[in-house]
Amino acid sequence: DAGITQSPRHKVTETGTPVTLRCHQTENHRYMYWYRQDPGHGLRLIHYSYGVKDTDKGEVSDGYSVSRSKTEDFLLTLESATSSQTSVYFCAISESGQGATEAFFGQGTRLTVV
Amino acid sequence: KNQVEQSPQSLIILEGKNCTLQCNYTVSPFSNLRWYKQDTGRGPVSLTIMTFSENTKSNGRYTATLDADTKQSSLHITASQLSDSASYICVVSEKTSYDKVIFGPGTSLSVIP
Repeated sequence: DAGITQSPRHKVTETGTPVTLRCHQTENHRYMYWYRQDPGHGLRLIHYSYGVKDTDKGEVSDGYSVSRSKTEDFLLTLESATSSQTSVYFCAISESGQGATEAFFGQGTRLTVV
Repeated sequence: KNQVEQSPQSLIILEGKNCTLQCNYTVSPFSNLRWYKQDTGRGPVSLTIMTFSENTKSNGRYTATLDADTKQSSLHITASQLSDSASYICVVSEKTSYDKVIFGPGTSLSVIP
């Protein structure tokens, strides 16, 4: 999977608890993305980063925050998990913007909020 | 509003048969269109990319076509194999915003023996 590692791969958490998902890359790509995938929906962008400490919101950013302190790591935090955030989360990387260069995806993290 | 629609939502075919998946988009101004394959439990993997000037591109048994005038694309799979069972996702990018792309909902293909 093009040098992308997501952790954890599976997580069950309780409503109201904070959760952090990690994406680690070994490709030195500038752009990193967090998506969520739900039945009946295409992949939806949560947040993305275009460099260290440079991030921007996607279409479904409410309830999520991100941080990128190093090129290789992009963290997604659910500040107070809700059942509507039960989903499969994918990290993606690309050399430049995803519209211009190919994106490579991690294997996903299945998060269940009970 | 920029949208990407795919049809059919799901498809079941016999091994060895051909099939065609459709993608319609309203994204403007158009930059490029990718088809991704997503196996169950894995992230999507790019199959092809097509720009405005390209109307056909092949990758092995996968052939994508693009009609930029009607804003339609198709993915044709020849001589299907069991390993083709997956979700196929159409992704379109807008010329004014290379940071983000628009994903279709995908077509779920099942190839049965």
